[in-house]
Amino acid sequence: GESVGLHLPTLSVQEGDNSIINCAYSNSASDYFIWYKQESGKGPQFIIDIRSNMDKRQGQRVTVLLNKTVKHLSLQIAATQPGDSAVYFCAGSYDKVIFGPGTSLSVIP
Amino acid sequence: DTGVSQDPRHKITKRGQNVTFRCDPISEHNRLYWYRQTLGQGPEFLTYFQNEAQLEKSRLLSDRFSAERPKGSFSTLEIQRTEQGDSAMYLCASSYPQTVSTEAFFGQGTRLTVV
Repeated sequence: GESVGLHLPTLSVQEGDNSIINCAYSNSASDYFIWYKQESGKGPQFIIDIRSNMDKRQGQRVTVLLNKTVKHLSLQIAATQPGDSAVYFCAGSYDKVIFGPGTSLSVIP
Repeated sequence: DTGVSQDPRHKITKRGQNVTFRCDPISEHNRLYWYRQTLGQGPEFLTYFQNEAQLEKSRLLSDRFSAERPKGSFSTLEIQRTEQGDSAMYLCASSYPQTVSTEAFFGQGTRLTVV
């Protein structure tokens, strides 16, 4: 079956520094890989996706890198802000989205 | 349209009772998904619809769970004979087909507590 998992359950970063959240996956059937952000008491919110035939995609302050050789996905957040504190999920998508367990990002002011 | 809405936000029920949750998706989205999330875990896929057709159900969805989307708009998720292990956040999401967009929009969820 499809499996998406994350390295490190928690990550603390100083405000203004860059954050890197990593993810490993075991099944290559996903058409897309997606990062979601979930704040306390809210549903997950889409951040950025990357098609499986790409290796990098940039958004506003975020960059997603995909290494298919080692089945690794990362989310880089530039100039991390207190509002970035949340749980981040990587997910694979093929018709439906399959989530990993999440990394909790804490931003230290 | 203010996004995906779920009702109720919280539900406390006694073990053995039936509960029903409602999800109203974004109106132009033809896909609707149900997920279950427990503390510290990622959302677990339960089932999804394209319009009124239920296209896939997870092995997690036991016979006590049933979902409907009768007119291709709102959806209901019913749990019969609830058990304490059913306590979780039930999330609904809607989207266009993946060929259009991968972005799924989630509601705030219904938190179920079975006592």
